[in-house]
Amino acid sequence: QVQLQESGPGLVKPSETLSLTCAVSGDSISSQSHYWGWIRQPPGKGLEWIGSIYYTGTTFYNPSLNSGFTISVDTAKNHFSLKLTSVTAADTALYFCARQRGIGGAWKYWGLGTLVTVSS
Amino acid sequence: SYVLTQPPSVSVAPGETARITCAGNNIGSNSVHWYQQKSGQAPVVVISYDSDRPSGIPERFSGSNSGNTATLTISRVEAGDEADYYCQVWDNSSVFGPGTTVTVL
Repeated sequence: QVQLQESGPGLVKPSETLSLTCAVSGDSISSQSHYWGWIRQPPGKGLEWIGSIYYTGTTFYNPSLNSGFTISVDTAKNHFSLKLTSVTAADTALYFCARQRGIGGAWKYWGLGTLVTVSS
Repeated sequence: SYVLTQPPSVSVAPGETARITCAGNNIGSNSVHWYQQKSGQAPVVVISYDSDRPSGIPERFSGSNSGNTATLTISRVEAGDEADYYCQVWDNSSVFGPGTTVTVL
């Protein structure tokens, strides 16, 4: 049973850096078949893909978002991470991590999501 | 960047058929995935690759994709189908539609 679990602070101050981690169980993050990604959902709004990473470290980012996002992978710990610098209130959202089969595949497995609020 | 358009809402009576469209430029040349998201929960894929139904998804859910429009069809709608539905494609990035709220009358 594949499971993903997000962790990180629920409250971040404006201009600070947001750091989230997604722990993967029931699958190896080094699987050659899968990509791992971050998707967020502002309160009351739709889903927004942030970016994806392959176990080799190859990354893809949403070109519509600012360049403050960084996704990294730790194969030894079987987890991947998201960092966002200089956060603003607009970054307040429910952040999901998810697994995709192949770069164009569906996001089949999702974490429960972690709510991040940006506020002083 | 690629843009997907969905109707904001669809209302349907129990037992009837709901059709949710997802419009995009030549979307028929892309693979479309559909997700159901109930309040406070993570999305669940209900249709992948235009018309494939994952195990555990009722046969009442079906999908099609041609030209500039992909469609998710929910037959014999039940109260439990009330949710937000999102289409998604890969076009050099993962793009989600804005979502459609299905209300069961």
